[in-house]
Amino acid sequence: EAGVAQSPRYKIIEKRQSVAFWCNPISGHATLYWYQQILGQGPKLLIQFQNNGVVDDSQLPKDRFSAERLKGVDSTLKIQPAKLEDSAVYLCASSPTRDLSSGNTIYFGEGSWLTVV
Amino acid sequence: AQSVTQPDIHITVSEGASLELRCNYSYGATPYLFWYVQSPGQGLQLLLKYFSGDTLVQGIKGFEAEFKRSQSSFNLRKPSVHWSDAAEYFCAVVAGGSEKLVFGKGTKLTVNP
Repeated sequence: EAGVAQSPRYKIIEKRQSVAFWCNPISGHATLYWYQQILGQGPKLLIQFQNNGVVDDSQLPKDRFSAERLKGVDSTLKIQPAKLEDSAVYLCASSPTRDLSSGNTIYFGEGSWLTVV
Repeated sequence: AQSVTQPDIHITVSEGASLELRCNYSYGATPYLFWYVQSPGQGLQLLLKYFSGDTLVQGIKGFEAEFKRSQSSFNLRKPSVHWSDAAEYFCAVVAGGSEKLVFGKGTKLTVNP
């Protein structure tokens, strides 16, 4: 079974530039997550999709971050304009359903490493 | 809101020694608990999870964890550490009925030969 795919793996941009990350979840997984992991910290949820709808984007900095999952499969996370503090690993993850209390597991991709200089 | 505390930022052990990584959670009811491992340059891999039943949970790579409600803890253990276990370990919690997985800040494990 193929895992969660992410690209690009690494990106270096200057502040105020834009960047986009792509994620393809495990086939059949309805729920897709984007997490931000700053060096030395645990991952923090940015946005959660259920199929093509947003379930939770309360921690997404909406003035500069946007995400979409138009057809309910793959997803794109965009940052524009980037700030120095956006340097982090952006982890995409998926799970079969949104109900984590029923024993479902969240599966993570390898991450997209962003450095803003 | 639920939270997770991993008191140890960095732990160093010798290869072959035993390991215990600490995790404490803050939540009133029974939480659902997870341990993930992140090797350098990699994503997160699930080691084990606790939802109900037996409080001693077996995971992959020889790891186990024990849920102790009285101590609000879910410590990760391994009897004999291998050099390949060097990585960062994250404890995470989902509150019952919640859809949000909340992570601790992680513990970095270094294994000396």
